[in-house]
Amino acid sequence: QKEVEQDPGPLSVPEGAIVSLNCTYSNSAFQYFMWYRQYSRKGPELLMYTYSSGNKEDGRFTAQVDKSSKYISLFIRDSQPSDSATYLCAMTGTYKYIFGTGTRLKVLA
Amino acid sequence: ETGVTQTPRHLVMGMTNKKSLKCEQHLGHNAMYWYKQSAKKPLELMFVYSLEERVENNSVPSRFSPECPNSSHLFLHLHTLQPEDSALYLCASSPAGSYEQYFGPGTRLTVT
Repeated sequence: QKEVEQDPGPLSVPEGAIVSLNCTYSNSAFQYFMWYRQYSRKGPELLMYTYSSGNKEDGRFTAQVDKSSKYISLFIRDSQPSDSATYLCAMTGTYKYIFGTGTRLKVLA
Repeated sequence: ETGVTQTPRHLVMGMTNKKSLKCEQHLGHNAMYWYKQSAKKPLELMFVYSLEERVENNSVPSRFSPECPNSSHLFLHLHTLQPEDSALYLCASSPAGSYEQYFGPGTRLTVT
């Protein structure tokens, strides 16, 4: 079983849609959960991070962690064409830093 | 220059060549990382340096050799690579012990 599972997509949505991106994980030692956004030909950039269970909101983005289900989500409201990118989840406990495979998102104008 | 820079951006090399990738960070961080990114695979952590000391080496073949001369610079020396080593090599930095990593744009490596 992979430590982190992420649907690779691609996911295509119309502009203005609510997007839900998800990851599941198996290691209960993970405590910090991150979402990175990677545009084509660029390195990943940190979008949001959360510690332990709960929700965190930043503008149009909401990160959600459910440690009991080992499930994390990133919601994008009012999606824009500029949100088209690959979104990678990541999680860590001490030095072990694990990434998902990334979900490719395309927001259609 | 700001953030994390990597050179070269693209590199094509034969299996018998020796080359080096360079990473420089301008963020005042003291931990640096090398990752390999291949299509449809998660980012693979290769090496971690914290305060210029290597703290992690994830069973990477010896044909990859990292060097961290100071907290701002990181190199990845390559020799006798294989075609399956073709990938995007990403450098990242962070404050030591932090989960926030800042990535460079990567070097697209093709081994022929």
